Amino acid sequence: AQSVTQLDSHVSVSEGTPVLLRCNYSSSYSPSLFWYVQHPNKGLQLLLKYTSAATLVKGINGFEAEFKKSETSFHLTKPSAHMSDAAEYFCVVSDQDNFNKFYFGSGTKLNVKP
Amino acid sequence: DTAVSQTPKYLVTQMGNDKSIKCEQNLGHDTMYWYKQDSKKFLKIMFSYNNKELIINETVPNRFSPKSPDKAHLNLHINSLELGDSAVYFCASSEEGWRRSYNEQFFGPGTRLTVL
Repeated sequence: AQSVTQLDSHVSVSEGTPVLLRCNYSSSYSPSLFWYVQHPNKGLQLLLKYTSAATLVKGINGFEAEFKKSETSFHLTKPSAHMSDAAEYFCVVSDQDNFNKFYFGSGTKLNVKP
Repeated sequence: DTAVSQTPKYLVTQMGNDKSIKCEQNLGHDTMYWYKQDSKKFLKIMFSYNNKELIINETVPNRFSPKSPDKAHLNLHINSLELGDSAVYFCASSEEGWRRSYNEQFFGPGTRLTVL
């Protein structure tokens, strides 16, 4: 069975400082992994995805994530936080043995201080 | 042009009522989904349809019944609404989702259901 653990429910950074949102997954095979962002009272928007090509994946708005199989991790990073990055972030693993069912992490709320 | 749209955006109703939420996608995708997001922001899949055929049916009360008149639409009907049904419901779609695990899902804006 697939599962995702987001290690921090809340992360607070100052504007202009780096962002690190942690995600660990459990999968019985090489997974597809995604990061989605949800701004307040909005739907979910795809930030980036890993699909067994390059292990370092670049996404929108300056975000990137690195797939590390040995650590079963897919942490999301950004060199410099912007106020507009304040949102809820979800790490997702898909289950190719079960009709591409998405398993969501519990979410990390990113707060950006001026 | 909205890729995945849902109506209504907000729905406030009394316990025991029956209500429907509609979802439409104009992306030409084969697969559509319904998710429930609870008050703690946790997202869980409820149903998935591929070309009008049910392919994922999670442990959801049978008061919830999805209906897919065509592959561009997936509606959610809820009978005898209960307080615990209050949540945000998201519709999503993906291209050949059930065969390509790397295909992302595109989400609608959500419907906030409040049961009083």
